[in-house]
This record gives sequence, C-alpha cells and structure tokens, in this order.
Amino acid sequence: EDKVVQSPLSLVVHEGDTVTLNCSYEVTNFRSLLWYKQEKKAPTFLFMLTSSGIEKKSGRLSSILDKKELFSILNITATQTGDSAVYLCAVHNQGGKLIFGQGTELSVKP
Amino acid sequence: GAVVSQHPSWVICKSGTSVKIECRSLDFQATTMFWYRQFPKQSLMLMATSNEGSKATYEQGVEKDKFLINHASLTLSTLTVTSAHPEDSSFYICSASTGTSGAYEQYFGPGTRLTVT
Repeated sequence: EDKVVQSPLSLVVHEGDTVTLNCSYEVTNFRSLLWYKQEKKAPTFLFMLTSSGIEKKSGRLSSILDKKELFSILNITATQTGDSAVYLCAVHNQGGKLIFGQGTELSVKP
Repeated sequence: GAVVSQHPSWVICKSGTSVKIECRSLDFQATTMFWYRQFPKQSLMLMATSNEGSKATYEQGVEKDKFLINHASLTLSTLTVTSAHPEDSSFYICSASTGTSGAYEQYFGPGTRLTVT
C-alpha cells in the first residue's frame, strides 16, 4: 500500500530559527512529490519535485528530493510567525492520485 | 492563474438532509477533479476522482450512493452529500488538474466546512 510519512508531527521553534521537515515515502510508480502549506483553509502549493538532487528554492523555503533513499526535506530558514502552519507532503503515483502524509504542524513563537 | 473556487465555504444542515458543494476552475479547464475530506488534526483523504463526462472513481470505503459526484463540464464538479449525518461533518476540499488522471499539478479550492446537526 502506498504510504507517505512525515516527521516530526509537530514542532515549536522561535523566530529566526531554521527548521527541517522530513517526508519519506513508499509509492509504486512514483511521479512527483509535492509540498503544501495549510493554514486553516485548503493547502497552498509550495514545491513540486520530480528529479533527485535538484534543490528548489523560493525565498526562505527550499526543498530537495532523494529518489534513491525515498525522501524529501523542506527547509525554512529565518523562520517568522507567519510560517506557522501545517506543512503537507504528498506524492503522485502513476494512477494520478495524491497520497498525503499526516502533516507537520509548525509553530513559530515570537 | 489556476484558481479554483468552492461554494459554499461553510454550511450547516440538519441530519437527514442533502447538501451540494460546487467546485469550479475559474481560469482553466480541469480535465480531472478530485474530492478530499479532512477531519480535524488529520491529513487530506482522497474520496474520489472525477473526469469530465464520465463516472467518478471512488476510493475504497467511500460510499458512492452517499457522496454523489457530477463532473458535467470542464470547469464544474459537484459533490452532493445525501442524507447527511453528524459523522459526515468535515472539511471538504476539491482540487482540479489540467492533465488526465491528475498527472499534473493539482490546484486546490478553499474548502467547504460542513456541519451536520
């Protein structure tokens, strides 16, 4: 059965800290891995990763995929209170379905 | 671009009634739309996949007679929760994709919070 596991499940940091969120997966016929940010509404898209070792970057956020070890990380540097949210990792399988992990709840304290 | 809307954003209904939720892709044609359900503190669970003009494909454990999905056009899909019960109270989210079988990026709607009393 296809599975996506995120860790940690929750994290509390202070403004300015750097955080690393983890996502591992076991999916048949992997197509892509996506990261989303969810703040009390539907998820908003952050990154889509398809190739190993190529970092994607957007401001203070970056992400990379390792298709050999079947995991991805999402880094957030110089965290701000506005980064507080649930971060979801999802993997596209060949059937076109998105399989979501449990999410990591990040809380950034001032 | 790639905006998806949902209506209503929240709804309260009485047990036994039916509720229809609309999902629209506003600036693109969505070949495939997906319906998810999210309970508090849990992740998104896929309920069904619908392609325009054909019957929806439901995930295991999702009752197709209870959750009726219609994908009548390339910009509109509807989910009807029939004979709703309190346990159906949840956050329902749709997403739309430009590729067949959802092979491309999915764009999420803002979600509909359903409360059944």
